[in-house]
Amino acid sequence: DQQVKQNSPSLSVQEGRISILNCDYTNSMFDYFLWYKKYPAEGPTFLISISSIKDKNEDGRFTVFLNKSAKHLSLHIVPSQPGDSAVYFCAASKNTGNQFYFGTGTSLTVIP
Amino acid sequence: DADVTQTPRNRITKTGKRIMLECSQTKGHDRMYWYRQDPGLGLRLIYYSFDVKDINKGEISDGYSVSRQAQAKFSLSLESAIPNQTALYFCATSDSRDSGVNQPQHFGDGTRLSIL
Repeated sequence: DQQVKQNSPSLSVQEGRISILNCDYTNSMFDYFLWYKKYPAEGPTFLISISSIKDKNEDGRFTVFLNKSAKHLSLHIVPSQPGDSAVYFCAASKNTGNQFYFGTGTSLTVIP
Repeated sequence: DADVTQTPRNRITKTGKRIMLECSQTKGHDRMYWYRQDPGLGLRLIYYSFDVKDINKGEISDGYSVSRQAQAKFSLSLESAIPNQTALYFCATSDSRDSGVNQPQHFGDGTRLSIL
């Protein structure tokens, strides 16, 4: 059963606007969350992470928000740029181990 | 040069053949992983290794085996390939030296495997 879910397979956004990618999880033991970005013919690359002791983490144009009570996290990209067009995966793990559980990905297209 | 190198990048083979996918890394990381990616299913963990003498099954290990030949090398074998093992396979590494803190994984560029 999928423990990390990304319910939107795709998203299109105009350049300069905000992109919001969503992720839900079911396992309350998860305490570390990450976002990866993947271009075609390349492996996923780490983008940003958040620990469960925080509800927000920001890195430049990228901000991840965590709502533990709702078991939901989101990635905000502001402003969106055409180079942000990629597939975004969220992932989660428990601090007791180092197994990561990945969502199914959301394909973001930023329209110039 | 890539920090995590997977070979081959593409492979087409027939049902019943034995296949080995190789992964090598220059990052000096102790932990290595094999994932497969299928459309609509994201990345799923096949096997992982926390050091040379440590091998662990992931969520979908049936039909696969692995070998950790050295800290820098982790290979994945399909002993008798079947068509539903057609997928994109990724190797990843991570560093455990910051104990108690999860570290992001670093991925290779993948091996596209097709089994006819």
